[in-house]
Amino acid sequence: KQEVTQIPAALSVPEGENLVLNCSFTDSAIYNLQWFRQDPGKGLTSLLLIQSSQREQTSGRLNASLDKSSGRSTLYIAASQPGDSATYLCAVYGQNFVFGPGTRLSVLP
Amino acid sequence: GAVVSQHPSWVICKSGTSVKIECRSLDFQATTMFWYRQFPKQSLMLMATSNEGSKATYEQGVEKDKFLINHASLTLSTLTVTSAHPEDSSFYICSAPLNRGRPSYEQYFGPGTRLTVT
Repeated sequence: KQEVTQIPAALSVPEGENLVLNCSFTDSAIYNLQWFRQDPGKGLTSLLLIQSSQREQTSGRLNASLDKSSGRSTLYIAASQPGDSATYLCAVYGQNFVFGPGTRLSVLP
Repeated sequence: GAVVSQHPSWVICKSGTSVKIECRSLDFQATTMFWYRQFPKQSLMLMATSNEGSKATYEQGVEKDKFLINHASLTLSTLTVTSAHPEDSSFYICSAPLNRGRPSYEQYFGPGTRLTVT
């Protein structure tokens, strides 16, 4: 059974810092991995999708990498802003879609 | 882009009543949709997979008689919480995969429905 973990559980940083969020999964037989952001009381917004054959994807200040063999993905956020404050979830798609518990990020002005 | 809507966005109901939540893919067709629930400060837990034209597939521990799912068309799935109780209060989110070419599914999520049972 696929298990997804995320480290850290919570993170608070001053504005402008570069951040790394980590996601680990136990079963490397996946089709893709997706990073989402969720604002309090809201639905999910897809940030990046990495296919199993890819190593990384970039969108603006966000960069996500995937090392399928070791079961790890990282989300790198450059020059963080207060508007980046949210919960970040990773999810892997294999036999089904499994979410990690999320990292709650607070970027302080 | 691909848009998924949910209705209602929030609902308050009395214990013992039933509540229906709709999930629609607005600009694409989805033969499969997924229903999740999320408790405060917890991650999303998959409840069931909704299949157009056939029965839904429920995850272990989810009562199929309590959470009725109907995938009536290629753009609409409904979740009915029957005989709701306070412990059913939660945030319910649906998603629909957009197949840009197997296995390249990308999940698009609805905005969620907050259910409060009093």
